[in-house]
Amino acid sequence: RKEVEQDPGPFNVPEGATVAFNCTYSNSASQSFFWYRQDCRKEPKLLMSVYSSGNEDGRFTAQLNRASQYISLLIRDSKLSDSATYLCVVPYNQGGKLIFGQGTELSVKP
Amino acid sequence: SQTIHQWPATLVQPVGSPLSLECTVEGTSNPNLYWYRQAAGRGLQLLFYSVGIGQISSEVPQNLSASRPQDRQFILSSKKLLLSDSGFYLCAWWTSGGSYNEQFFGPGTRLTVL
Repeated sequence: RKEVEQDPGPFNVPEGATVAFNCTYSNSASQSFFWYRQDCRKEPKLLMSVYSSGNEDGRFTAQLNRASQYISLLIRDSKLSDSATYLCVVPYNQGGKLIFGQGTELSVKP
Repeated sequence: SQTIHQWPATLVQPVGSPLSLECTVEGTSNPNLYWYRQAAGRGLQLLFYSVGIGQISSEVPQNLSASRPQDRQFILSSKKLLLSDSGFYLCAWWTSGGSYNEQFFGPGTRLTVL
């Protein structure tokens, strides 16, 4: 099992759609998780952190299922500006090392 | 506020030439620093990380090396570039004083080896 594995994508959705990405991780000891957003040819930027069962920020909801070792990201009412690659990130240890998933590309169309 | 700088932004180098990429952080002290590489269409691969001046941990065997001559300076080097070294190189920082394990990335250097 890969350390962090994401839906392969790409996801092509119309504006206003709801889309969900899944991510599984192998390290059952991980305590915190992150979703980063990466625009084309740009650096990744933190979108959401997940420390307990979930987190919600406007149209974005991240959920954590520790028993099944997966994290999901739900985007409601998709906007054109949501088009990007979404990276699932799991800490390797407590020293700041992170393991990045391959990313899921989202394209929101008019 | 903290900022992170990388230069150059883009670089085209011939095979066999040397490489030096620089990363500097402002507005924080004693950060952990990281070098990642992202090949075209691939995820981020951690290359090196450093917890302090002169302390470097290598994650994957390769022809690259890293150095940390000052607290807020991190340098990625190669004596002879390979075609496979092409990619998007990202520097990142983290401190225990910030959000747990959240890393902040620089703007990156896009390297093409011909």
